[in-house]
Amino acid sequence: GAGVSQTPSNKVTEKGKYVELRCDPISGHTALYWYRQSLGQGPEFLIYFQGTGAADDSGLPNDRFFAVRPEGSVSTLKIQRTERGDSAVYLCASSSGTRNSPLHFGNGTRLTVT
Amino acid sequence: DAKTTQPTSMDCAEGRAANLPCNHSTISGNEYVYWYRQIHSQGPQYIIHGLKNNETNEMASLIITEDRKSSTLILPHATLRDTAVYYCILIRGRRALTFGSGTRLQVQP
Repeated sequence: GAGVSQTPSNKVTEKGKYVELRCDPISGHTALYWYRQSLGQGPEFLIYFQGTGAADDSGLPNDRFFAVRPEGSVSTLKIQRTERGDSAVYLCASSSGTRNSPLHFGNGTRLTVT
Repeated sequence: DAKTTQPTSMDCAEGRAANLPCNHSTISGNEYVYWYRQIHSQGPQYIIHGLKNNETNEMASLIITEDRKSSTLILPHATLRDTAVYYCILIRGRRALTFGSGTRLQVQP
């Protein structure tokens, strides 16, 4: 079946611009996670949704980062006033939301801020 | 969540078993041991998880010591496609995964 889909796969933007990254989770998965990964490091947690609400946004680095999931399915990660340090691979994952259910990851969006 | 310690890198010959260790000496009673791997340019892939009993699935086996302070992921017949970074993660309930640096496994032909 279809896995987690992330679009675009690559995004190049100029410093100061606004970007949106999209995640389509596996159908029926109620939990959705955003991570970012810098070169040579493990993924870093950003935010976790259970349904439409953000259950844990403690990983968002600052108020330039925001994520929504208005209908409990597709999610958008929004970054305002991008900085060169935001360059990374942004990963999305979903799970069934039941206790200890594994996460299924997409292949990420590679964001480059020039 | 408790921290894990893994070797930075390991090599394994193709066709042989790959045994990847993980230390988690401060694990608490309700924390599960999860293993994920990440092949170059892909998102992490779930492999297996367990609480206290050994587990086996089509991908791998997970051996957890009786005191739960360490575990070993076993890939019984490693192939070149198993070359990846392997992450050992502790988690309880619905909390988000916290990834460390993992073990870079290189399967040699």
